[in-house]
Amino acid sequence: GENVEQHPSTLSVQEGDSAVIKCTYSDSASNYFPWYKQELGKRPQLIIDIRSNVGEKKDQRIAVTLNKTAKHFSLHITETQPEDSAVYFCAAPNSPSGGGADGLTFGKGTHLIIQP
Amino acid sequence: DGGITQSPKYLFRKEGQNVTLSCEQNLNHDAMYWYRQDPGQGLRLIYYSQIVNDFQKGDIAEGYSVSREKKESFPLTVTSAQKNPTAFYLCASNFLGAGGPGEQFFGPGTRLTVL
Repeated sequence: GENVEQHPSTLSVQEGDSAVIKCTYSDSASNYFPWYKQELGKRPQLIIDIRSNVGEKKDQRIAVTLNKTAKHFSLHITETQPEDSAVYFCAAPNSPSGGGADGLTFGKGTHLIIQP
Repeated sequence: DGGITQSPKYLFRKEGQNVTLSCEQNLNHDAMYWYRQDPGQGLRLIYYSQIVNDFQKGDIAEGYSVSREKKESFPLTVTSAQKNPTAFYLCASNFLGAGGPGEQFFGPGTRLTVL
């Protein structure tokens, strides 16, 4: 199955600065890469996703980039705000042939701390 | 809140007991999933179901069982064979379309504690 590694495990940035979280995956056939945000005690919520036919996707202050050759993808948050503090998870399809229909493999998460 | 509900929110189990966690969705989603989350860990897949009356084991299925008798319901039973069941359990669902699966929506979770 797929193996997803995520770095760093903790990231502290000053409010207004940018934050970058990186993930690598093992199966070159993987084609769908979502990012989830989870606040303490709450459910994960999708914030952005990318499919393998594009290299970058942007939604206001959030962007995701994908490098299929190197098998890594990154989450970029610009102009960080206190409400961005949370744990962020990357994921990839559990088995690429399933495209995600057979579940997702998650990274271990990054605790993002926004310092005032 | 996404149309997926889980109950109970908190559950306490004595050793040797089986307990069942409920998951219901009214989104008409095809597929449903159960994940387990431990502190400092990502989510790990327990079981999934793409269609009624069919389900498949995920990465950590041992000690768990599921059923999918209705499209909207996917209960998870934690059996006494699961040696370390204390965790946060999350149910999810999504559409399965020709263009690939849609976004996975998560329920609010059940926190299970073994006494």
